[in-house]
Amino acid sequence: EAAVTQSPRSKVAVTGGKVTLSCHQTNNHDYMYWYRQDTGHGLRLIHYSYVADSTEKGDIPDGYKASRPSQENFSLILELASLSQTAVYFCATRDNNQAPLFGEGTRLSVL
Amino acid sequence: SQWGEENLQALSIQEGEDVTMNCSYKTYTTVVHWYRQDSGRGPALIILIRSNEREKRSGRLRATLDTSSQSSSLSITAAQCEDTAVYFCATETGANTGKLTFGHGTILRVHP
Repeated sequence: EAAVTQSPRSKVAVTGGKVTLSCHQTNNHDYMYWYRQDTGHGLRLIHYSYVADSTEKGDIPDGYKASRPSQENFSLILELASLSQTAVYFCATRDNNQAPLFGEGTRLSVL
Repeated sequence: SQWGEENLQALSIQEGEDVTMNCSYKTYTTVVHWYRQDSGRGPALIILIRSNEREKRSGRLRATLDTSSQSSSLSITAAQCEDTAVYFCATETGANTGKLTFGHGTILRVHP
């Protein structure tokens, strides 16, 4: 069964610290995405990737970096975490012409 | 904003009733996705409707798409308590990109 696994599921970080969120897929999908969701709102696209070793900026990339070292793995990096980055982060994968399949999310609290 | 609705909306109904959720969008799209999100979970696709389809059905779900008015609706027939969730519509940016722009969502509560 297709799976998108995010780790950690929750994290508390300090302001100014570095945070790395990881996403692993067993779907063999080319496309991978990172979204954030703020309370009471829909998801917004941060970064995405169509192929390993390549990433693209989404709608709200500022303050985030992404890394796609392999087909299966896609990371979201916050070099200097800020309070405003407290949110739930979702990874998604997608096969060509299909709808994205989302992971269970990572709840990030920046204090 | 991408969307006509600016705030998360809430609907509360009794089990067995029908319900319709609406969304409007501002930029061109060829497909509208409808997702449901259960508490603490990721969004799950429930129905997808393309610009060449005015209506799409899946079980008790019915989606419509009016590209001329840039609006879509999701109807649930004979709602059940298990339908309680947050429902989002999302448009796809560009052709076959998978890049989604989400609306703010509708909280649906179905009471027994």
